[in-house]
Amino acid sequence: QKEVEQNSGPLSVPEGAIASLNCTYSDRGSQSFFWYRQYSGKSPELIMSIYSNGDKEDGRFTAQLNKASQYVSLLIRDSQPSDSATYLCAVNAGGTSYGKLTFGQGTILTVHP
Amino acid sequence: SQTIHQWPATLVQPVGSPLSLECTVEGTSNPNLYWYRQAAGRGLQLLFYSVGIGQISSEVPQNLSASRPQDRQFILSSKKLLLSDSGFYLCAWSVQRTSGGAIEQYFGPGTRLTVT
Repeated sequence: QKEVEQNSGPLSVPEGAIASLNCTYSDRGSQSFFWYRQYSGKSPELIMSIYSNGDKEDGRFTAQLNKASQYVSLLIRDSQPSDSATYLCAVNAGGTSYGKLTFGQGTILTVHP
Repeated sequence: SQTIHQWPATLVQPVGSPLSLECTVEGTSNPNLYWYRQAAGRGLQLLFYSVGIGQISSEVPQNLSASRPQDRQFILSSKKLLLSDSGFYLCAWSVQRTSGGAIEQYFGPGTRLTVT
């Protein structure tokens, strides 16, 4: 069973702080990694994708991938109340898996003023 | 740009009734299509995926079925709903890549189904 694990939280940070979200995966052959944001009652929205070891930055978001340790993380700098949502980590094994993603349970993030 | 539609947005159905949820994608050709279900407070569970017209792969055995009658249309159906079928149903698409692997998946707005 290929698994993706996230701390369900809730993770509470003050406005302006850095929020750090973590995700581990069991399939060492995984090749593609994604972070989705899901507001309550809405569908997931893709915010970051990362395919190689290291950091990838996009605005206030930084995704970090370490394939040797099988973890991927998302940093949100200068957190805003509008960042309060559930963050889903998704992993794909690559090869001929036809783009199928395995999702973690999600981490609830609350940014308080 | 690409757009994905789902309808209806919400649905309340009695146990034992049939179900038909529809998903269409605009602005792309030959996409991979996916149906997910998200139960309350739970993660996303992949139900079906399709790489082409008439091609359906099932991930979880259940009383649901899927069909892809047209390139950009994906339908989720059931002949008789169970209470456990309640949830948030999400359709997603991705670009198809001949070498496999993942490309970003984009979700539709979802259908919230309550079985009573």
